[in-house]
Amino acid sequence: EPEVTQTPSHQVTQMGQEVILRCVPISNHLYFYWYRQILGQKVEFLVSFYNNEISEKSEIFDDQFSVERPDGSNFTLKIRSTKLEDSAMYFCASKGRGASMDTQYFGPGTRLTVL
Amino acid sequence: AQSVTQPDIHITVSEGASLELRCNYSYGATPYLFWYVQSPGQGLQLLLKYFSGDTLVQGIKGFEAEFKRSQSSFNLRKPSVHWSDAAEYFCAVAGNNNDMRFGAGTRLTVKP
Repeated sequence: EPEVTQTPSHQVTQMGQEVILRCVPISNHLYFYWYRQILGQKVEFLVSFYNNEISEKSEIFDDQFSVERPDGSNFTLKIRSTKLEDSAMYFCASKGRGASMDTQYFGPGTRLTVL
Repeated sequence: AQSVTQPDIHITVSEGASLELRCNYSYGATPYLFWYVQSPGQGLQLLLKYFSGDTLVQGIKGFEAEFKRSQSSFNLRKPSVHWSDAAEYFCAVAGNNNDMRFGAGTRLTVKP
């Protein structure tokens, strides 16, 4: 069964450094998402991406964040200058069809630790 | 915007006992509702979803959920809990803007 994959599984970085989290969505999917889960808290929506542009973003997704689909398979989340409070689990998800009537499939997550 | 409330932060049940996890949503239109399960250190696995039609939906691992529009609820149930069901359970609602809102989660502990 096809699945969403994410690399790395764990990223440790120094405050102020740039990080890029990578995701490979399910191959025929069209919609892509990033979510964040701070330890012990709920999963929070960051951004959705369709047709090579952001379709929706939350208040968390400020100028420090950016997303890109650099080729036909990868979907990346970049944090320009990491802060301690960016430490969290970051989940990528993808969805097939355009309507909300479809399921988002989640990757296993990347745990980001900012020191 | 849509939102989800899971009133129970932590529930403990004995193995073999029945389970009900509560979920209440807020959304102005027809909601698309989901339950996900997360084992420690793992990602989110879809248990079941409701889009339309029969209000009682069956999912994987013996779980079911019932959509009650009058109560704005989508509670998850399982008749007999197994030790392997111990995990964090998240209810979520999707809106037309393609974003999904999750509840705070309910941590399930299963006693032997």
